[in-house]
Amino acid sequence: TQLLEQSPQFLSIQEGENLTVYCNSSSVFSSLQWYRQEPGEGPVLLVTVVTGGEVKKLKRLTFQFGDARKDSSLHITAAQPGDTGLYLCAGARGADGLTFGKGTHLIIQP
Amino acid sequence: GAGVSQTPSNKVTEKGKYVELRCDPISGHTALYWYRQSLGQGPEFLIYFQGTGAADDSGLPNDRFFAVRPEGSVSTLKIQRTERGDSAVYLCASSSSGGEPQHFGDGTRLSIL
Repeated sequence: TQLLEQSPQFLSIQEGENLTVYCNSSSVFSSLQWYRQEPGEGPVLLVTVVTGGEVKKLKRLTFQFGDARKDSSLHITAAQPGDTGLYLCAGARGADGLTFGKGTHLIIQP
Repeated sequence: GAGVSQTPSNKVTEKGKYVELRCDPISGHTALYWYRQSLGQGPEFLIYFQGTGAADDSGLPNDRFFAVRPEGSVSTLKIQRTERGDSAVYLCASSSSGGEPQHFGDGTRLSIL
């Protein structure tokens, strides 16, 4: 069984602070995807990282794929209340179904 | 439509009943995936279709669960003799082909009383 461990599971911080969410596995993935999910809605794709060591930026969000393609991180700079949500990492192995972590519940307090 | 559409959005039924959940993928997407998400958990893979055929059904929990995609577009997830443990949000995702990024619908929230 391929497991993706996400940490922390819950995080509540003040507006303007920085944070990092981690996604770790003992398995190698062909790519890793980060999603954000709001209550009552499906996950929305934020980014896909494919190459070991790859870094992608999406405004204040920075995503990194580990050199060995087993882990990833999401860093948010100057968090805003609109960043509140459930962040999910998901590993892909070719065309197979995604393996998801349990998610990180993020709350940004004004 | 522009996105993945799932119907119904909510379904409440009694234990032992049969249910069908529908997924309408993004037009032109050949790959379609079903996942199940329990409260407080990430989605868990159920089944993957490439075109009309089930390429991987290893995530289906038991033989009460079955899914079809007869024309390579719309898919139906069928659950027989429902149990309270089947209560969850059932998510559908599609991608342009297997291995490409997946785009999710808003899910069907299934409640078994």
